[in-house]
Amino acid sequence: VQLVESGGGLVQPGGSLRLSCTASGFTVSGSYMNWVRQAPGKGLDWVSNINTGGSPQYGDSVKGRFTISRDNSKNTLYLQMDSLRAEDTAVYYCVRSLGGAETNWGQGILVTVSS
Amino acid sequence: DIQMTQSPSAMSASVGDRVTITCRASQGINNYLAWFQQKPGKVPKRLIYAASSLQSGVPSRFSGSGSGTEFTLTISSLQPEDFATYYCLQHNSYPLTFGGGTKVEIK
Repeated sequence: VQLVESGGGLVQPGGSLRLSCTASGFTVSGSYMNWVRQAPGKGLDWVSNINTGGSPQYGDSVKGRFTISRDNSKNTLYLQMDSLRAEDTAVYYCVRSLGGAETNWGQGILVTVSS
Repeated sequence: DIQMTQSPSAMSASVGDRVTITCRASQGINNYLAWFQQKPGKVPKRLIYAASSLQSGVPSRFSGSGSGTEFTLTISSLQPEDFATYYCLQHNSYPLTFGGGTKVEIK
C-alpha cells in the first residue's frame, strides 16, 4: 500500500494549486480519504475528507476555498486549493481512513504561500 | 465544533517511566478517538484507534482507554524511541479535530 502526493510548491497569496495523491494497493473509492496538514512547527490540522459515497467534508478554515475530489479510474485523490493565504503554508498529507482499522499516510508535500 | 484539549502540552520523563497523556473532548465523542505519534521530520503514525484498539505492529506498552469525553494514552514503560509528540484526534463529528499535542522529552 502506498500513497504518493504531488503538486505542491510555491504560490502567491490569492493563487491556486492542485494537490494529487495517487494510491496503490487499495482503491481510493473504497475508503474515507483525508487531507491533513501541518504548518511549520505547529500541530496537525484536519483539512478535508471524502467518503466512499463521494460526499466531501471540510474544515472551517478552508470551507469555500478548497475542493476535494477523486478520480476512480486513476485511483487518485485531489485537493484543489483556491484563494490561498499565507496561513495555508504547510506540509499536506494524504491519509487513508483516519479512524478505520486500515490506515496509511503519504510522505507529505510542502505548499508555501508567499509573495 | 468539538474542541480536543490535551494535557500536558509537554513533559519530561525518563526511560522506564510510566507516562499518561489525557485528551478531553468538549462534548461526547463515543469511542471515536485515535492517538498518533510523530517524530521530528517524520510522518505521523497511528498508535490507537477506537479509543483502545492497538494498531497492528505497535508495541503493547502503548494502550488507550476512555469513552465519552475523557481519554488517556498510556505508555507503560517509556523507551528511548518513544520520545516524540503525541496527538489525539476525534472523528465522531465534523469537522474532525486534533488535540494540540503533547511533546515527551528526555529528563
